[in-house]
Amino acid sequence: EPEVTQTPSHQVTQMGQEVILRCVPISNHLYFYWYRQILGQKVEFLVSFYNNEISEKSEIFDDQFSVERPDGSNFTLKIRSTKLEDSAMYFCARTTGFNEQFFGPGTRLTVL
Amino acid sequence: EDQVTQSPEALRLQEGESSSLNCSYTVSGLRGLFWYRQDPGKGPEFLFTLYSAGEEKEKERLKATLTKKESFLHITAPKPEDSATYLCAVQRTFSGGYNKLIFGAGTRLAVHP
Repeated sequence: EPEVTQTPSHQVTQMGQEVILRCVPISNHLYFYWYRQILGQKVEFLVSFYNNEISEKSEIFDDQFSVERPDGSNFTLKIRSTKLEDSAMYFCARTTGFNEQFFGPGTRLTVL
Repeated sequence: EDQVTQSPEALRLQEGESSSLNCSYTVSGLRGLFWYRQDPGKGPEFLFTLYSAGEEKEKERLKATLTKKESFLHITAPKPEDSATYLCAVQRTFSGGYNKLIFGAGTRLAVHP
């Protein structure tokens, strides 16, 4: 099925630095999600984004996080000041009209 | 609180040895239950969505079933390429749009020749 692509595949950053993770949908879908998975743990919901607005966010999604769709195509997750505990795989997902959520390949974020 | 529990945590099978994975859930109004396959370092790969008790779906050697409290993923005559982590997730009913998924911790399946 058509999915999303994510860039970069791996990002290494220093604690306190800002990172931007990108999700590029292949089709023009309206509903997107960001999830993360810390190594060895569950996949956790971060935020959902519908029609260029945040629809729902979790307790994890604090003021350090933001999402936007700057050019109507790419969908970005920004972490303003990274912490060691932000190290994880970050997945973008999108929904079809049939309520199925398809995930991208992920970005591995390593905070040193 | 919504909760998804998967068992066993890990399962080792011989090639051809059929078995079942369990996903029990507690959710305030189930909209859908999802099964995904995840290979190491990759994103979850969609397998099935089940919406109502009694529903069944099949794909190759996999068959998913749903009751009011749990779901089973049956693997018939597995092959080594079926080795992966299988994730279960639930979605609550939502007043509009498409709601988030709540995941279980997964079952790591290893199929040996």
